[in-house]
Amino acid sequence: AQKVTQAQTEISVVEKEDVTLDCVYETRDTTYYLFWYKQPPSGELVFLIRRNSFDEQNEISGRYSWNFQKSTSSFNFTITASQVVDSAVYFCALDTGFQKLVFGTGTRLLVSP
Amino acid sequence: EAGVTQFPSHSVIEKGQTVTLRCDPISGHDNLYWYRRVMGKEIKFLLHFVKESKQDESGMPNNRFLAERTGGTYSTLKVQPAELEDSGVYFCASSQGGQGTGQPQHFGDGTRLSIL
Repeated sequence: AQKVTQAQTEISVVEKEDVTLDCVYETRDTTYYLFWYKQPPSGELVFLIRRNSFDEQNEISGRYSWNFQKSTSSFNFTITASQVVDSAVYFCALDTGFQKLVFGTGTRLLVSP
Repeated sequence: EAGVTQFPSHSVIEKGQTVTLRCDPISGHDNLYWYRRVMGKEIKFLLHFVKESKQDESGMPNNRFLAERTGGTYSTLKVQPAELEDSGVYFCASSQGGQGTGQPQHFGDGTRLSIL
């Protein structure tokens, strides 16, 4: 069975702090895809990044970076120098190739000025 | 390019009534999905269309839920009769590509359904 765990329910930081959102996944498949989505207060789910199981390279996009480690089944997301606009619920999700996303319960990030 | 659009954004109905949710996918996306988030729990898969065909409906909770995608364009999700436990946010998503390609799914704003 597939499962995604986001153990952090809510994180509060002050602007300019760095913050890491944890994601641990479970699957027996050797080919799979991992995703991060952002849900701002407006409600839509915004796609942030996709990673496939054969590519363990870390990725950086501006203030965002992702650390994929197969050895620990983790796909963590770090925001550097957080801003108020980063406040949202962040979801990690897993696709084992059948186009059926398995989501974690989400981490609510609150960035205060 | 227009994103995935869902209508209505919010619906409040009484138990036993019928409600129909609509989703317009991104133009050209053959894959259309329905998901649901109930009571702050995780977002759960309901079903997947490829064009007008149901590829996977393993997540549909029961036969009170009926999804259609006539003509392979927009989709509707009907709940009849609605029960209290159906309350939640219903998300629609669409994507390109086929099975195994891992193409990202692009989501709409969701429909918040409240059953009284």
